[in-house]
Amino acid sequence: DAGITQSPRHKVTETGTPVTLRCHQTENHRYMYWYRQDPGHGLRLIHYSYGVKDTDKGEVSDGYSVSRSKTEDFLLTLESATSSQTSVYFCAISELEGNEQFFGPGTRLTVL
Amino acid sequence: AQKITQTQPGMFVQEKEAVTLDCTYDTSDPSYGLFWYKQPSSGEMIFLIYQGSYDQQNATEGRYSLNFQKARKSANLVISASQLGDSAMYFCAMREVNTGFQKLVFGTGTRLLVSP
Repeated sequence: DAGITQSPRHKVTETGTPVTLRCHQTENHRYMYWYRQDPGHGLRLIHYSYGVKDTDKGEVSDGYSVSRSKTEDFLLTLESATSSQTSVYFCAISELEGNEQFFGPGTRLTVL
Repeated sequence: AQKITQTQPGMFVQEKEAVTLDCTYDTSDPSYGLFWYKQPSSGEMIFLIYQGSYDQQNATEGRYSLNFQKARKSANLVISASQLGDSAMYFCAMREVNTGFQKLVFGTGTRLLVSP
């Protein structure tokens, strides 16, 4: 199994508070991704990174920011959480562009 | 338009039988890749199989095979000899060169239930 961990695994927060989710990998893979999973939508890409300090937006990036200061860590920040951001968040990694992506265990976020 | 369409919200199969999960895709890009992932009730996403648009043969991985029909834009997953542990959600996904080779677009999934 690919070495990917996500923290926290579960979080309940209130509307308007900032939230940061962390993805940590031990595989030294270049590419990292953040997805959200909602019923009826499958997984949708929020942001991705193609190297340290190199990031780009995905399909549903509004309300989210990311940072990658080290190869192994990719942070997803909700500056001011809203109830529409209640979801399960998955981090993924891939070694080469276009290769299969390996997923972390997910973080269940509830915004009240 | 949906890039990836999985028309079967749920499928049932008996243990040891084969089952086909449908996936159709929409792209004008000649270079693309198709993936299948499994998500058991525990929640993790497990990569199953990959098919490249230029691959001449259908991909196979153990009991999983991908029935790739390029002209019909379909990439159905075939699971042979189903097992109880195959009960899960299955997602089809695609990446295209022209929208960013590293971006995956997922379908909404098919829930498979394998009965004894």
